[in-house]
Amino acid sequence: EAQVTQNPRYLITVTGKKLTVTCSQNMNHEYMSWYRQDPGLGLRQIYYSMNVEVTDKGDVPEGYKVSRKEKRNFPLILESPSPNQTSLYFCASSPSGLAEAQETQYFGPGTRLLVL
Amino acid sequence: AQKVTQAQTEISVVEKEDVTLDCVYETRDTTYYLFWYKQPPSGELVFLIRRNSFDEQNEISGRYSWNFQKSTSSFNFTITASQVVDSAVYFCALSEAYPGGKLIFGQGTELSVKP
Repeated sequence: EAQVTQNPRYLITVTGKKLTVTCSQNMNHEYMSWYRQDPGLGLRQIYYSMNVEVTDKGDVPEGYKVSRKEKRNFPLILESPSPNQTSLYFCASSPSGLAEAQETQYFGPGTRLLVL
Repeated sequence: AQKVTQAQTEISVVEKEDVTLDCVYETRDTTYYLFWYKQPPSGELVFLIRRNSFDEQNEISGRYSWNFQKSTSSFNFTITASQVVDSAVYFCALSEAYPGGKLIFGQGTELSVKP
């Protein structure tokens, strides 16, 4: 089954404790990205990756890191989480970064993060 | 800069009513794509439709229909004869042609359909 998986689905942590949210897709997609969803703001892109070893900032990259060592995985790293990073996070993948491919963009199930 | 505005934060209707969700967008590009996503209470995002900027034809899919008007920069979504299962948050989104991966989302409209 074609899917994007995220782990963990729920996480409660404390300020400053490094954490990683994993994202994996099994569709051999080139393009992957991370979004955060906040009330009243919709979803905003954090980082994206056009392919292996190619990553770039989205609209709200501060406080986050990513890596793309393998095509299937795109982890989101919070080196020193703060309460303003409490949010719902979505990983997404699509065959390419072209807009035509967005019809087949797959979203993961989401990760709810609470930073105390 | 690109922007998507969904002015309706919450809408509540009674089952079988028709409801229209508004979406207004801003972009300087002549080639762009518009999307609607549904987020049910379970939280996942469900793709509903994509339209490109050169195709202003309205689209109907069952009880769902979409009205794209470039003259008013709007891409409105109508649910006919709403059902309780339509209760969800609906997002309108915009993507430029290149790099096309980024979706600019509106704030979302929470639709509540009561029996």
